[in-house]
Formats: sequence, structure tokens, C-alpha cells
Amino acid sequence: AQSVAQPEDQVNVAEGNPLTVKCTYSVSGNPYLFWYVQYPNRGLQFLLKYITGDNLVKGSYGFEAEFNKSQTSFHLKKPSALVSDSALYFCAVRDPFRGGSQGNLIFGKGTKLSVKP
Amino acid sequence: EAGVVQSPRYKIIEKKQPVAFWCNPISGHNTLYWYLQNLGQGPELLIRYENEEAVDDSQLPKDRFSAERLKGVDSTLKIQPAELGDSAVYLCASSLDRGPGDEQFFGPGTRLTVL
Repeated sequence: AQSVAQPEDQVNVAEGNPLTVKCTYSVSGNPYLFWYVQYPNRGLQFLLKYITGDNLVKGSYGFEAEFNKSQTSFHLKKPSALVSDSALYFCAVRDPFRGGSQGNLIFGKGTKLSVKP
Repeated sequence: EAGVVQSPRYKIIEKKQPVAFWCNPISGHNTLYWYLQNLGQGPELLIRYENEEAVDDSQLPKDRFSAERLKGVDSTLKIQPAELGDSAVYLCASSLDRGPGDEQFFGPGTRLTVL
């Protein structure tokens, strides 16, 4: 069965420093991978996705993520963190070659990012 | 473009009472999802619609939960009767029906508190 893991409950970063939010996945084939962000009392907002092609994917608000097949990882990164980046970040995986419930989007439990001035 | 609309935003009820949540997806989005998000967890799919058809309701607790999507646009999720453990955020999302790579667009959610 497919699964996704976000090993850190919280990541603390100083403003201006680079940030990394980790994500690893388990899918039998080639995965589709997504990152979403959730601000307080808001729904999830799409940041970026990996479908195929270049392993480095660029998304909204200066975020990027690198797909690493050998390490089954899809870590979210940003070169210089902003206080406004503080939010809850969710990694999600989908097996595009499975139908029904096996093909649904599976979310990690989320990582709280805190950026201090 | 308007986003996914959900109402109410907050609902407090006593256990054993019924409750209903409403969702209006983004115009033109054929696929609609209802998710359950518990505190400190990621969303978990309850039901997925393609147009009017519920194509995956395997995770919906059918003894107390029901959903409908009349005319393939708006959708309603109902709980009857509600239990204490149903306290959570109920998220609605929608997407175009182009394939599994389509991103989903989420509404703000309904935060349910069952007393």
C-alpha cells in the first residue's frame, strides 16, 4: 500500500536562512508527488507537484522540491525563509496506475514550519 | 476565479444530533472530494465524486455518514447521529477531470465540535 511520511512534526528556522521540510514515500511504481500548505483556519493550498521529467520542481512563493527516486524522497526547500512562510506543510503521494481507492491522494501528517525574525 | 466554498465554517452540536455540511466546487471542476482532517493529521478521503457519481466511498462510515451531489455541482455531507469522535475539520476539494496529476483545490473547511 502506498504511504507517505513526514518525519518532523516541527521545523524551526530563522528568517533569511534556507529551509527544508522532509518527505519520504512508499509507492510500488512511479509516484505523483505533491506539496500543500495550510495556514490557520484555511484550507490546503497547492504549492507544487512532481509528475515526470526534471527532478527539481519549482512552485509557488519561491518553494522548490527535489524528487529522489533512490531515496524515495521529495523534500521541500526554500533558499531564504520568510516569517510569512510559517504554516503547516503537507506532502502527498498518488499512485497514478492504480484505480479506485488505491489511486487516491495520500497525505502525510504534516510538518509545522516556524520562521522566527 | 472563485475558490471552493464551504458552509458553515464552524458548527457546534450535541452528540446524537444531525449535522450537514455544504460545498460548492470551482466552476467546471467535475471531481469533488470530501476529506476528514483530525487535529495534527493530514486529510483523509471520505468520498470522491466524478460528476454525480460517487466513484469511491470506501472510507465513508455509511452507518452514520451520507453524501450527495445532485446535478454534479454542489454537494452535501451529512452525519446522523453525530458522535463525540466526529469532532474534526471537514474539507471539500475539487479538481478538473484530466487525470491523476491534477492538483486539488480545497475549501476552508467546516470545523465540527460535538459536545
